[in-house]
Amino acid sequence: DSGVTQTPKHLITATGQRVTLRCSPRSGDLSVYWYQQSLDQGLQFLIQYYNGEERAKGNILERFSAQQFPDLHSELNLSSLELGDSALYFCASSPRGKALNTEAFFGQGTRLTVV
Amino acid sequence: ILNVEQSPQSLHVQEGDSTNFTCSFPSSNFYALHWYRWETAKSPEALFVMTLNGDEKKKGRISATLNTKEGYSYLYIKGSQPEDSATYLCAFPMDSNYQLIWGAGTKLIIKP
Repeated sequence: DSGVTQTPKHLITATGQRVTLRCSPRSGDLSVYWYQQSLDQGLQFLIQYYNGEERAKGNILERFSAQQFPDLHSELNLSSLELGDSALYFCASSPRGKALNTEAFFGQGTRLTVV
Repeated sequence: ILNVEQSPQSLHVQEGDSTNFTCSFPSSNFYALHWYRWETAKSPEALFVMTLNGDEKKKGRISATLNTKEGYSYLYIKGSQPEDSATYLCAFPMDSNYQLIWGAGTKLIIKP
């Protein structure tokens, strides 16, 4: 158990809908990272928050947004969902802001299926 | 475009044999190189974070070396066991933007 909690574990929704994925980082970790893993794709970095502020942005679509709350949990909002958004969404956390030399601890992921 | 490449894509190894695979990354502006293990139905788990050229790290039967000048890292597994079956990922921080660029992974299957 990494200490990172993601909910829900599975989500099935229709195209055009909006969903919210939730992540609670390890106790004491200030950084939260969101990743997407689609079929036959590697891990794609979406966005990072550090202590409530956006720190880095990757290949995140404009239809997607995220935030980190004062209690350090984070939510990833996916709207106007398309079939291609079906993927495994991982959240990871680390103690410091920089990913450079700090290992990240991953949650179990949320499997999103858009039908 | 920064790219992290891993080879081979997949590997079948007999139980008890030793094996190794490669992660190649841009050699300029090196910050760190991460190795993770991703078992089926689980989440990626950190193995090593390597920062110094010539660094060698070890965790049980798994070890890794780093050559930042030529831009590669090797992961070695000695005496493979069925529980070593997993996808091994390496990741490279993209300058100071904090985002990790991930390789596609090497899928290791240990045959009993």
